Amino acid sequence: DSGVTQTPKHLITATGQRVTLRCSPRSGDLSVYWYQQSLDQGLQFLIQYYNGEERAKGNILERFSAQQFPDLHSELNLSSLELGDSALYFCASSVEGGVGGYTFGSGTRLTVV
Amino acid sequence: EDQVTQSPEALRLQEGESSSLNCSYTVSGLRGLFWYRQDPGKGPEFLFTLYSAGEEKEKERLKATLTKKESFLHITAPKPEDSATYLCAVRAASNSNSGYALNFGKGTSLLVTP
Repeated sequence: DSGVTQTPKHLITATGQRVTLRCSPRSGDLSVYWYQQSLDQGLQFLIQYYNGEERAKGNILERFSAQQFPDLHSELNLSSLELGDSALYFCASSVEGGVGGYTFGSGTRLTVV
Repeated sequence: EDQVTQSPEALRLQEGESSSLNCSYTVSGLRGLFWYRQDPGKGPEFLFTLYSAGEEKEKERLKATLTKKESFLHITAPKPEDSATYLCAVRAASNSNSGYALNFGKGTSLLVTP
């Protein structure tokens, strides 16, 4: 157990639908990072939150959004889902600046049918 | 733009056959080069962080080295349980786009056969 908890582990949904992925960071970590991993693209950075505030954006689509709550857990919202959104979604956490490393959760496998 | 390129894409070794994986990078202001191991369907597992050229770190059969342009992950006398995808990532000086996020290469898929 890495200390980063992601739920659900698996999600199957239809095109056009909306889903929410949840992440609880490791105790003491204030930064949360969301990544998407597909077979052809590898791990792509989506968005980072630090202590409740958006810190940086990567290759995140406008149909996707995220937030970090006062208890530091984070949610990634994916809407108007397309077949191409099928992927593994990972959450990672770290202390400020990534000092000491980044710890990844076990991921959520999203399948859009 | 920061770039991380790993080679080879896939590597098949016999048990005991040592080899090296390569990670070439281009980044503005390196703030750390990270190696992770990833098993199928699982999250990346941290192996090493290197911060400056000339630095080396070891863990069991793995040794990571860093130069100004690339990093190597040396695998000595590998065993079948070393089979996994090995990912290299860089952390650059913070900017408005990436913050302190890691930028990953596509990985090397390693298969060690008995």
